[in-house]
Amino acid sequence: GAGVSQSPSNKVTEKGKDVELRCDPISGHTALYWYRQRLGQGLEFLIYFQGNSAPDKSGLPSDRFSAERTGESVSTLTIQRTQQEDSAVYLCASSLGHFESNQPQHFGDGTRLSIL
Amino acid sequence: KQEVTQIPAALSVPEGENLVLNCSFTDSAIYNLQWFRQDPGKGLTSLLLIQSSQREQTSGRLNASLDKSSGRSTLYIAASQPGDSATYLCAVRGLYSGGGADGLTFGKGTHLIIQP
Repeated sequence: GAGVSQSPSNKVTEKGKDVELRCDPISGHTALYWYRQRLGQGLEFLIYFQGNSAPDKSGLPSDRFSAERTGESVSTLTIQRTQQEDSAVYLCASSLGHFESNQPQHFGDGTRLSIL
Repeated sequence: KQEVTQIPAALSVPEGENLVLNCSFTDSAIYNLQWFRQDPGKGLTSLLLIQSSQREQTSGRLNASLDKSSGRSTLYIAASQPGDSATYLCAVRGLYSGGGADGLTFGKGTHLIIQP
């Protein structure tokens, strides 16, 4: 597709369940980013990948959060034992390269996660 | 830690007016600055990116300026139209790596309404 694709667009789950969110970046984009947007708050950076590697995981809010990327394309963000405070819109972005200062990040429409 | 502030938080103007949205950031060691718009329930659309060595960028009716030393950027919208109604977000990418600093740091946005 032409843009960043995220699935599902909406996810409702019970507290304590695990969830997996998927991101398909723009073809050819080697850098991929995950952000979280909680209600009434600004976007919060979580993690990025350059190629298949995630150099720094310290932005993840807790050890219940993990992310992986395979083949320089699809990435999944997994939240284990979900809590109500995990309710947010999770946004994925991609760019041509993390070290290209003139390349913008392009965002998907996000996954709206609601924890009951 | 980088902080980004956007003023005003909300703005409502009649169609046809020229307007200025303001963004300030606390740490001038930036890689680039990006302006986005966000429509309700949607992801972010990249409008303009200014590299740290640049002073301004233009796209159509939009002009963004950057004064890195004073930690300020402005987004100028000429001849506003109802279709410009959206939330406008300013984001900076810092020079530093690690510690969760590799992504964009966002302001909370300016909610803009253009009255027909």
